[in-house]
Amino acid sequence: SAVISQKPSRDICQRGTSLTIQCQVDSQVTMMFWYRQQPGQSLTLIATANQGSEATYESGFVIDKFPISRPNLTFSTLTVSNMSPEDSSIYLCSVPRPGGYTFGSGTRLTVV
Amino acid sequence: KQEVTQIPAALSVPEGENLVLNCSFTDSAIYNLQWFRQDPGKGLTSLLLIQSSQREQTSGRLNASLDKSSGRSTLYIAASQPGDSATYLCAVATGNQFYFGTGTSLTVIP
Repeated sequence: SAVISQKPSRDICQRGTSLTIQCQVDSQVTMMFWYRQQPGQSLTLIATANQGSEATYESGFVIDKFPISRPNLTFSTLTVSNMSPEDSSIYLCSVPRPGGYTFGSGTRLTVV
Repeated sequence: KQEVTQIPAALSVPEGENLVLNCSFTDSAIYNLQWFRQDPGKGLTSLLLIQSSQREQTSGRLNASLDKSSGRSTLYIAASQPGDSATYLCAVATGNQFYFGTGTSLTVIP
């Protein structure tokens, strides 16, 4: 399985600021996915990040709030912009592998 | 749109018991189904992947079955241990889209 390094593992941020989350994969992948898990909820797909094109966002998520970069086939970032307490969640990146999907270890974000 | 439901939402069992977690989905046109484990505040750990053409997969004390026609999967945990305490999520894949259940929170009491 692919190894994904996700940073930071956790952060406490002030409302109105932005946080950029990074995912580095140990092999080239075409697609990377970003998920959010709000407290007590299951995972929700935010967007699909393809190298060389704009990310595809799911309903309820917009680029201005969650800009994504995908500069190459092993790296992606998700920025949570202009944060509010409602953005407090665990954010995860994921890549598809022949044996299933592999997930990063997650970023636990608390907005105060 | 695919909907995935997991029952029960929470389960508490004494150590050593065998247990079954259930997952149901509304659209049988899936590519695969995956079971994950999530420890509090952590990311996901993949447990078992069942392709749509398969009926079951086994790994150690875990056995997952898939019945596509009825839209059901079960995760069987044998001889449960306190270290099995976690939230278990199932997810069905349709194309590149994953649909997650809401999870079953398992507590194994020593």
